[in-house]
Order: sequence, then C-alpha cells, then structure tokens
Amino acid sequence: QITLKESGPTLVKPTQTLTLTCTFSGFSLSTSEVAVGWIRQPPGKALEWLTHIYWNDDKRYSPSLKSRLAITKDTSRNQVVLTMTNVDPADTATYFCAHLTTAACQFCYDFWGQGTLVTVSS
Amino acid sequence: DIQMTQSPSSLSASIGDRVTITCRSSQNINTNLIWYQQKPGEAPKLLIYGASSLHRGVPSRFSGTGSGTDFALTISSLQPEDFATYYCQQSYSSLSYTFGQGTNLEIK
Repeated sequence: QITLKESGPTLVKPTQTLTLTCTFSGFSLSTSEVAVGWIRQPPGKALEWLTHIYWNDDKRYSPSLKSRLAITKDTSRNQVVLTMTNVDPADTATYFCAHLTTAACQFCYDFWGQGTLVTVSS
Repeated sequence: DIQMTQSPSSLSASIGDRVTITCRSSQNINTNLIWYQQKPGEAPKLLIYGASSLHRGVPSRFSGTGSGTDFALTISSLQPEDFATYYCQQSYSSLSYTFGQGTNLEIK
C-alpha cells in the first residue's frame, strides 16, 4: 500500500526559505518509471504543479518557479525534500506530495499525501 | 508552457443528471490528459488517465474522451458523492505538467 505524508513548518516569514519533506512508503524511488512530485493549492484556488523528481534523479520544475525551487531525494530514507527560497504571502497554500507513475498511467499522480498548509506571514 | 482551460468554471446539476466538463489545451497533447476529482479538505483523486482510461476502482459512470486539444469528462448519472471540483492536467510536456483551473460541480 502506497502512502505519502508531508511535513514541515506551518508558518514561514516572508523572504525565508521553506523546506518541506515528503515521507513515503509502499514503493521505492530507486524503481524505474517512478517519481515523486509536489503540487500546491492556495486557499480556494486551483492546483498548481511545482516539481517532480524521477527514480534516476532527473528533475522537472515549473518554469515560473524554477529559480526558487529545489527538489532532492533520499532513497534510503524514503524521503523527498522540497526547498522554496524567498517565500512571499502568495506562496501560502496547501502543499501536496504525490507518487507519479510513468508506465502504468502515462505520467499520472495516482497516490497523494494529505497535504500540509503553509502560511507565509510576518 | 502549455495552458489548460476548463469550462465551465462552475456547474449546478441534480442527482441523476448527465454532465460534461470540457478541457482545452493550448497545443496538441495527443491523449496525454488526466482528470482528477477533489472534495473539500481532501487531496485530489485520480479518475482518468490517457484521456479515456478509467483508473481502477473509479465507477463506470465516469468517462473521458478526446485527443489533440479538446477533451471531455462525462458523468452519466450524477450521484451525491460526485459533487466536487474536477481538474484536468496535461502530461504531454515533460517540462511542465500544468493543471486546468478546475470545475466546481454543485448540487442544484
């Protein structure tokens, strides 16, 4: 059974760096055709894709946020870490991590974490 | 960047109605189109991938059609648990997996 869970601060000050961790079980990020991604959702607004990292350490970033994002993986600990620099109140959102499979469903996010709400405020 | 545009943004319907939500991409994405359902306070759930393939466990009243730039999600007979927000997402461009802006399906 695949599960994912996000963790990190609930409140961050403007200009600070946000670090979120996704801890997962039920799969390995060393298995081919697997990736873990981050998607966020500001309160009352739509989903926004941020980034994902593949089993082979290949990474993809949203073009609009690329300069502020970094994603890394720790295969031995079953974790993926998202770093976002220079946060702004507009970054206030629920941040989801999700399992992406390439072969089974053509790059779909088939398992999601519950999400974690991050508020950016001074 | 591929843009995804859903219509309508919101929709009111009754139990038993047949409803269709559309999604248009700004360029050809073949059948690399995914549909998700999201209920308030919950994570999205995968409904359909490859434009028309039903994810396991998803009721058969859900169906997806389309290819190229125009896609549709149809619910053949609305059930109470179907009232939610629906999002499309393109998985064609490996540079950016953009979502549509969502369609809020409400009870009439």
